[in-house]
Amino acid sequence: DGGITQSPKYLFRKEGQNVTLSCEQNLNHDAMYWYRQDPGQGLRLIYYSQIVNDFQKGDIAEGYSVSREKKESFPLTVTSAQKNPTAFYLCASSIGGVGETQYFGPGTRLLVL
Amino acid sequence: LAKTTQPISMDSYEGQEVNITCSHNNIATNDYITWYQQFPSQGPRFIIQGYKTKVTNEVASLFIPADRKSSTLSLPRVSLSDTAVYYCLVGEGGNTPLVFGKGTRLSVIA
Repeated sequence: DGGITQSPKYLFRKEGQNVTLSCEQNLNHDAMYWYRQDPGQGLRLIYYSQIVNDFQKGDIAEGYSVSREKKESFPLTVTSAQKNPTAFYLCASSIGGVGETQYFGPGTRLLVL
Repeated sequence: LAKTTQPISMDSYEGQEVNITCSHNNIATNDYITWYQQFPSQGPRFIIQGYKTKVTNEVASLFIPADRKSSTLSLPRVSLSDTAVYYCLVGEGGNTPLVFGKGTRLSVIA
């Protein structure tokens, strides 16, 4: 059963703590993405990766970091430098270039304690 | 990337046809038009994509006039389950990521 999985579904962060959101895909897609969505807003691109060991900043990369060591995995770390991390985080992948049709995971909701 | 403009929200009764129009005056020759649907607390899902004229699938139709400066997503006979946010994106499918705006929030009323 192919698809994109994100874990956990809910994540709680304490002040000053780094947390990592997981994203895995078994679709053999080349490109992967991370978006942030705030209530009532559209999606904003955090980072994207076209190939393994390569990634680019999106529109709101400050306070976030990523890695792409494997084709199927693209974890996102929300660092303590991100002062307003409470949001819905969505991971996506696409088969070819980063402008291709994207397939999304179920999302992770991050809350700050 | 061509910028897109959509209505912020729309209301419709069940069983009606809904048409959501997206303006993209600066669309480039190689750009495609893609629509996504997003339900609350879920990731968006692809609905339909087109380049010109009309495209139809089991979910929706996409109408694109000859000048391609706008496009209309048509949802036939909507039901309550069609209540969602609909995003219009324009891009060439190359190495530049597509941009999701705020979308159109469709509310279907019984």
